This record gives sequence, C-alpha cells and structure tokens, in this order.
Amino acid sequence: NAGVTQTPKFRVLKTGQSMTLLCAQDMNHEYMYWYRQDPGMGLRLIHYSVGEGTTAKGEVPDGYNVSRLKKQNFLLGLESAAPSQTSVYFCASSNRRGGNYGYTFGSGTRLTVV
Amino acid sequence: AQSVTQPDIHITVSEGASLELRCNYSYGATPYLFWYVQSPGQGLQLLLKYFSGDTLVQGIKGFEAEFKRSQSSFNLRKPSVHWSDAAEYFCAVGGNNDMRFGAGTRLTVKP
Repeated sequence: NAGVTQTPKFRVLKTGQSMTLLCAQDMNHEYMYWYRQDPGMGLRLIHYSVGEGTTAKGEVPDGYNVSRLKKQNFLLGLESAAPSQTSVYFCASSNRRGGNYGYTFGSGTRLTVV
Repeated sequence: AQSVTQPDIHITVSEGASLELRCNYSYGATPYLFWYVQSPGQGLQLLLKYFSGDTLVQGIKGFEAEFKRSQSSFNLRKPSVHWSDAAEYFCAVGGNNDMRFGAGTRLTVKP
C-alpha cells in the first residue's frame, strides 16, 4: 500500500530549465493537490484537480502548469524554472471534495533552482 | 477564503512537560479543522480532525485538540511530551475546494 508517491525526491535545476514532477496515488482518490512549502509560510496550494481531466488554480499558480490525464497521476510542470521556485513540493490526495476529510500526503520533492 | 494563524513559530518544552500549540482560524461556515505533524524530511501525517459534535477530539500519539467556536481556536494539547514528539506541527482548515495551512510551529523537546 504505497499511498501517494512523488518522483523525484530531489532535483537541482538551472534557471530557465524545465521539469515535471510526478505524483501517483493508488487509493482511487478523485481529488489531488500540489502544494509548495517554504519556511515560515506553511503549505500553499499551487493547483488542484477534482477528477480525471480537470485542473484548477490555487493560491500560487503562476509559473506552474498541471495535468491529470489519468486518475491516479497528477503532474506538476515548471516550464522555465526561477530561483523563487526553490521549495519543497508536496502532493496530496483525498477521496472527498475540498479539505473536509483530510489528505494523504506524499513525502515531498525538494527542488533547488540555481 | 479560509485562513489559519499559528502564533508560535517555535516552542521548546522539557520532556515530560505538558504541551499546548495554538491555532486560530477564519472561516465563514462551520469549519473542518485538522492538525498535522511533519518530521524532518518527511511528509505530513494527520494527527486529528474535527468536523462536528464533541468539541474535544482525540488523535494519535496521545494528542488531543479542543474546538472553541467563540474564540475561533483549535489548540493542540498533550499532557506529557516525549522526545519523539519533536517535529513541526501544522494546523489546517478545510474549505469548499481545498485545505489551508498555518505557517507551522516547530517543537523542540529538551531532555
């Protein structure tokens, strides 16, 4: 029972490079979320999805794109990385709409943009 | 949108002492409230949650939290802290589309 798996766990990018973070869940959850965690700011929502083929913007969507082509996967893309995107990224999933029943989190991806 | 404030950035307690972590929320409707714990380098683990009913909720690892509507608070407590409780703690409030988190409180446990 893997739960939520994020790949990669660590990555260093140069400014302007692109990359995709993968989130996979095996719990058949409808709802998936991408957060970024920065010191002193807690977790901030980047994008979320309420089902296969759907995406929506969260608090801090600029500079990121997402796709949910398959129910179990939620991809987060950085088209042109900037140092301000240095952060720890967490994916989460839920079987209920919104935040009403709690999330299952992945273990995170630490991204450094130099 | 909903929001959460955790007034204490860092708290240090001695092992065996009691603990209270503060959380204040803002939300126009009945809140769904959560406490999560994060150990270094790990993801977030759900400690407990409040939806309705009894305002004192019990969680894992001996933690409890009390919902006080009049104070818009959901403080986390533990009667006797163990060294393994050292971690970062996040309060969160659930809304229509997502969950919003506080900035976190880092707990240090002294021997």
